Amino acid sequence: AQKITQTQPGMFVQEKEAVTLDCTYDTSDPSYGLFWYKQPSSGEMIFLIYQGSYDQQNATEGRYSLNFQKARKSANLVISASQLGDSAMYFCAMREGGTGNQFYFGTGTSLTVIP
Amino acid sequence: KAGVTQTPRYLIKTRGQQVTLSCSPISGHRSVSWYQQTPGQGLQFLFEYFSETQRNKGNFPGRFSGRQFSNSRSEMNVSTLELGDSALYLCASSPRAGLGTDTQYFGPGTRLTVL
Repeated sequence: AQKITQTQPGMFVQEKEAVTLDCTYDTSDPSYGLFWYKQPSSGEMIFLIYQGSYDQQNATEGRYSLNFQKARKSANLVISASQLGDSAMYFCAMREGGTGNQFYFGTGTSLTVIP
Repeated sequence: KAGVTQTPRYLIKTRGQQVTLSCSPISGHRSVSWYQQTPGQGLQFLFEYFSETQRNKGNFPGRFSGRQFSNSRSEMNVSTLELGDSALYLCASSPRAGLGTDTQYFGPGTRLTVL
């Protein structure tokens, strides 16, 4: 089974609107971390936000927030007030607890912000 | 604090040649991971090093190898290059040996073209 699933290959959003990018994950480890990265056309992967499995509150970082629903194993990224510079690929990732565990990445969602 | 650096940024090689890519992690980070990204296969994990030891390895042929030095800098080598090795190679560093809570920070990548 896929560890990380992103079901939206492409999304469009109007400038200044909010958008939600979906991510579901699969793990039986009670301890894990969930991450979102942004990859502009330049290629560099930019870390956006982190959510730990034991965190009680949803993570927020500026215009980014993570809608963490543990029972449903979902970790959706919400971008508020979209800007043209938000157009990029977005990847959801997970790392299970303990040492020596690799990162698992989803296939990504291409977001286009329309002026 | 300086970010992850990768050299060279761009590389053109011909089939059958070999190539060495270099990655310097964020100061103080001891774990380095390598990924291959292609349009067809997406982001694929190559290997992870911590304290000069390979901790994890992805599903790649033995032509792909890596190493880590005592200063945490890492190199990856691809021998007998094939056309399908053309890709963006991303390096990422994190503070410790793959703990679930540790974020990976990526470098700008090396874009390899095999002719």
